[in-house]
Amino acid sequence: DGGITQSPKYLFRKEGQNVTLSCEQNLNHDAMYWYRQDPGQGLRLIYYSQIVNDFQKGDIAEGYSVSREKKESFPLTVTSAQKNPTAFYLCATHRTAGTPLHFGNGTRLTVT
Amino acid sequence: QKEVEQDPGPLSVPEGAIVSLNCTYSNSAFQYFMWYRQYSRKGPELLMYTYSSGNKEDGRFTAQVDKSSKYISLFIRDSQPSDSATYLCAATGPEAGGTSYGKLTFGQGTILTVHP
Repeated sequence: DGGITQSPKYLFRKEGQNVTLSCEQNLNHDAMYWYRQDPGQGLRLIYYSQIVNDFQKGDIAEGYSVSREKKESFPLTVTSAQKNPTAFYLCATHRTAGTPLHFGNGTRLTVT
Repeated sequence: QKEVEQDPGPLSVPEGAIVSLNCTYSNSAFQYFMWYRQYSRKGPELLMYTYSSGNKEDGRFTAQVDKSSKYISLFIRDSQPSDSATYLCAATGPEAGGTSYGKLTFGQGTILTVHP
């Protein structure tokens, strides 16, 4: 069953803790992306990776880190430096340049 | 000013109505335009994907892009209660999106409710 798997679906953490969100894909897509969604603000790009062992900052990278050690996996770490981490986090991939992004079903992170 | 502006709604229509969803954008470099549908607590699902200006139809859905006025529209004919969702417009281009065009700029989303 091909697709993008994000886990967990819901995540709760205390303020000051780092947390890692998982994104796995079996679509054999090269490019992977992390977006953040807040109510009334649409989606904003955090980080993206076009190839293994390489990634670039998006528009709101501060307080986040990523790695891309395998083509299938692009985990996102929300660090304690992220001032407003509570949000819906979405991972996306696409096959080649000019093809549309496809999204996973997201992880809702709540930090208290 | 946001690069992509979308009327946030909410929009409530009766079943069978024609729905018109609209976005405007300011970045002339945008070449690819998308509409996504997002159900509550789910990821966005691609509905329509168009390149440059023109119309694209897929079943009950029609996407229109007018690059001269920087206007993007999605029309839904014979709307159904199952169309109730948040609709997101998005755009990208060679300068905005990098070499892979995956850096999308999204509108804020329009919440649509179709009532029986």
